[in-house]
Amino acid sequence: DTGVSQNPRHKITKRGQNVTFRCDPISEHNRLYWYRQTLGQGPEFLTYFQNEAQLEKSRLLSDRFSAERPKGSFSTLEIQRTEQGDSAMYLCASSLAGTSSYNEQFFGPGTRLTVL
Amino acid sequence: AQRVTQPEKLLSVFKGAPVELKCNYSYSGSPELFWYVQYSRQRLQLLLRHISRESIKGFTADLNKGETSFHLKKPFAQEEDSAMYYCARMEGAQKLVFGQGTRLTINP
Repeated sequence: DTGVSQNPRHKITKRGQNVTFRCDPISEHNRLYWYRQTLGQGPEFLTYFQNEAQLEKSRLLSDRFSAERPKGSFSTLEIQRTEQGDSAMYLCASSLAGTSSYNEQFFGPGTRLTVL
Repeated sequence: AQRVTQPEKLLSVFKGAPVELKCNYSYSGSPELFWYVQYSRQRLQLLLRHISRESIKGFTADLNKGETSFHLKKPFAQEEDSAMYYCARMEGAQKLVFGQGTRLTINP
């Protein structure tokens, strides 16, 4: 499968624990995005990277959230001191920046987080 | 905030009937709009974008700036069209702003 992959697919944790998710983009894609989707809502933008640089962060990304893309390839999203409100599907997407104004974002299957 | 609104959470039509999924946006300029689809047990994928003015799987969407709408239409629904549909707008250079989604069910 050459698409975007995310691990783990499901994570159940207790309130207060830290969790980390991984996203592997399509290999030649230089842009990587994180979105969060709660039940009954559409995905909400969290942050995006171009290569290893984090270029934009949403106000949704509190100081308990941190994302990295150290070598411009895979990315990790860490949530510290999880809260029940963090329960959601975390989606990763990637795209190839080019000369056109829009570069299609390809989505991964998501990581479903449940905080008990 | 610049929003994308999908007023129907659920839409159910019979096979062969026309389908229209509504999408309205709030933006004063020239928006870049998309429809994404998620079939059961599959990942979110792009269905079409307004700038390309193409028809994908029989679906079309026309941007109506006067009504600030970007409704998705198909003249004859098929069972395989059952899915979750999201209207989205590009904000800034890169991020997508999604509507709440409409679950479309095609009844046989």
